Amino acid sequence: DAGVIQSPRHEVTEMGQEVTLRCKPISGHNSLFWYRQTMMRGLELLIYFNNNVPIDDSGMPEDRFSAKMPNASFSTLKIQPSEPRDSAVYFCASSSTGLGYTFGSGTRLTVV
Amino acid sequence: AQSVTQLDSHVSVSEGTPVLLRCNYSSSYSPSLFWYVQHPNKGLQLLLKYTSAATLVKGINGFEAEFKKSETSFHLTKPSAHMSDAAEYFCVVSDQGDYKLSFGAGTTVTVRA
Repeated sequence: DAGVIQSPRHEVTEMGQEVTLRCKPISGHNSLFWYRQTMMRGLELLIYFNNNVPIDDSGMPEDRFSAKMPNASFSTLKIQPSEPRDSAVYFCASSSTGLGYTFGSGTRLTVV
Repeated sequence: AQSVTQLDSHVSVSEGTPVLLRCNYSSSYSPSLFWYVQHPNKGLQLLLKYTSAATLVKGINGFEAEFKKSETSFHLTKPSAHMSDAAEYFCVVSDQGDYKLSFGAGTTVTVRA
């Protein structure tokens, strides 16, 4: 089992550019989560999908953020346009029972 | 609503000595409790979880935690620290059946040679 796979591992972009983060959950897991981790705010849940359907997007900061899950094996988190305050580590996690999530290695985003 | 308080932001121990990381929780219902570890520039790895079975939970790498309902605590221990245990540790709670996790602020562990 390769675990939850995220790409890219690091992303440096200029303010105003579009950024797309990718996630491949563990096969068979029906729940997928996007988290953001910063020093100031710790880990924040951005959005939760169940069976590819967005269930809770109340954590998405604003309209610049969007997430999709077109199928059970792929999800994207897009920021357009990006801003320096979006700099953080973004984690994807998946779960089959809710009894403990498996996290990916994260994408470290730097917006300059 | 659930929440978690990690009582120590930083713990420093000598290699070979015990480690204790303290966590108190609040939960409206029967909680599920987890400990995750995050090594520098890495993702979060599940150490152990409690889901209303045995109150003493054994995890990976020699860690264990005890669920004490009367004290609303879920402290993490290890009898003998290794250098590789230097990392940040998160105590996490969710109401059973709820997908939302509440993370503690984290405890940074340093291990002295």
